[in-house]
Amino acid sequence: NAGVTQTPKFRVLKTGQSMTLLCAQDMNHEYMYWYRQDPGMGLRLIHYSVGEGTTAKGEVPDGYNVSRLKKQNFLLGLESAAPSQTSVYFCASSSYRDRGGHEQFFGPGTRLTVL
Amino acid sequence: SQQGEEDPQALSIQEGENATMNCSYKTSINNLQWYRQNSGRGLVHLILIRSNEREKHSGRLRVTLDTSKKSSSLLITASRAADTASYFCATSRGGAQKLVFGQGTRLTINP
Repeated sequence: NAGVTQTPKFRVLKTGQSMTLLCAQDMNHEYMYWYRQDPGMGLRLIHYSVGEGTTAKGEVPDGYNVSRLKKQNFLLGLESAAPSQTSVYFCASSSYRDRGGHEQFFGPGTRLTVL
Repeated sequence: SQQGEEDPQALSIQEGENATMNCSYKTSINNLQWYRQNSGRGLVHLILIRSNEREKHSGRLRVTLDTSKKSSSLLITASRAADTASYFCATSRGGAQKLVFGQGTRLTINP
């Protein structure tokens, strides 16, 4: 199993350009998440999905859109990139559990620079 | 906003010593999790402790949870150079098992 994969690994954009980050998981997980990590900080949740065809906003959703057309894929889009979106983006997935919860499995990250 | 606050922000110890990191949070939780991040890499799950549990062990790791004080600690015993990494606590509450992360503790193990 590959686990959680992300493409691309690195990307440089100019202000105003658009791009899509792809996350794929092969563990048949119901839940998927997009986070961003800025220098010296923990991760902050951008958007998440609890199943195919569903998405919801996290803590810092502005400037991003997401789609989950297939259970195994979760796409993060930047319609008009801004320098403030320079960050490392992590995707994660998790299986459904009761309120006790379950760990999340993380991808290797995408390092995005917006000039 | 970050729910968890970790202490210390940075810790440097000699190989073989024990390392203790603390995490405090603000609201009620379903569980608290600890993750490790090696430089420039993704996060790796270490241990999950549920709100009705007080202590959990996994190999050289020991986690405690005090819900009355809204705090947790991670103890790594007999540290190794390979333990050098950043360690994050994350809390989960409500549906969808969303995580709220602390800012992390940067641990350096000196040979």
